Amino acid sequence: QVQLVQSGAEVKKPGASVKVSCKASGYSFTTYYMHWVRQDPGQGPEWMGIIRPSYGVTQYAQKFQGRVTMTRDTSTSTVYMELNSLTSEDTAVYYCAREGYLGYDPSGYHFDNWGQGTLVTVSS
Amino acid sequence: QSALTQPASVSGSPGQSITISCTGTSGDVGGHDYVSWYQQHPGKAPKLMIYGVTNRPSGISDRFSGSKSGNTASLTISGLQTEDAADYYCTSYRTSIYTYVFGTGTTVTV
Repeated sequence: QVQLVQSGAEVKKPGASVKVSCKASGYSFTTYYMHWVRQDPGQGPEWMGIIRPSYGVTQYAQKFQGRVTMTRDTSTSTVYMELNSLTSEDTAVYYCAREGYLGYDPSGYHFDNWGQGTLVTVSS
Repeated sequence: QSALTQPASVSGSPGQSITISCTGTSGDVGGHDYVSWYQQHPGKAPKLMIYGVTNRPSGISDRFSGSKSGNTASLTISGLQTEDAADYYCTSYRTSIYTYVFGTGTTVTV
């Protein structure tokens, strides 16, 4: 079955960077797009960006442009999300989420499988 | 980006039906059929319940159904069960720039 397993919780100081991983299994890694979504404590989710694993093409939400980098390693079926210049406002749970197909179209505009989440705490 | 508007809370008794609304604009909810709904229990990842406005993934009970009218999408839960108590979020693709916007979230109490 499809599994997305994320790396463990992180504690970072303001100004630092964090890199979260998401290892995929149970499906063909390069044929599904992957998104990153974060959720502040007690708040709704927020979309951060997408990576298309076949070519590594990315697109980021305007809010995170210049501060986020999404990459992938096809040899290990893993995607990564790195966020720089952290502040306390980046304290959140970060999820990877696979984009489901709509028929035969990989652009299904929904998230059919999610990782378990990675808590990133930014504190001095 | 502005979030989609949902009621903060909805409650119902076991066996009843409830409906959660999700209001956006013609640039997102009203502009296409790319609206999806997610259920989230405390401390858990969101779970896809409805996609493409009306479609249920395999394994999701037919007690869950989706619809849309104009700029407002809706999720209806019929035959309410205690395990349906959770937070629910809608989301929509926004066409003007490549982005997704989530709803403000609704807490369902049974």
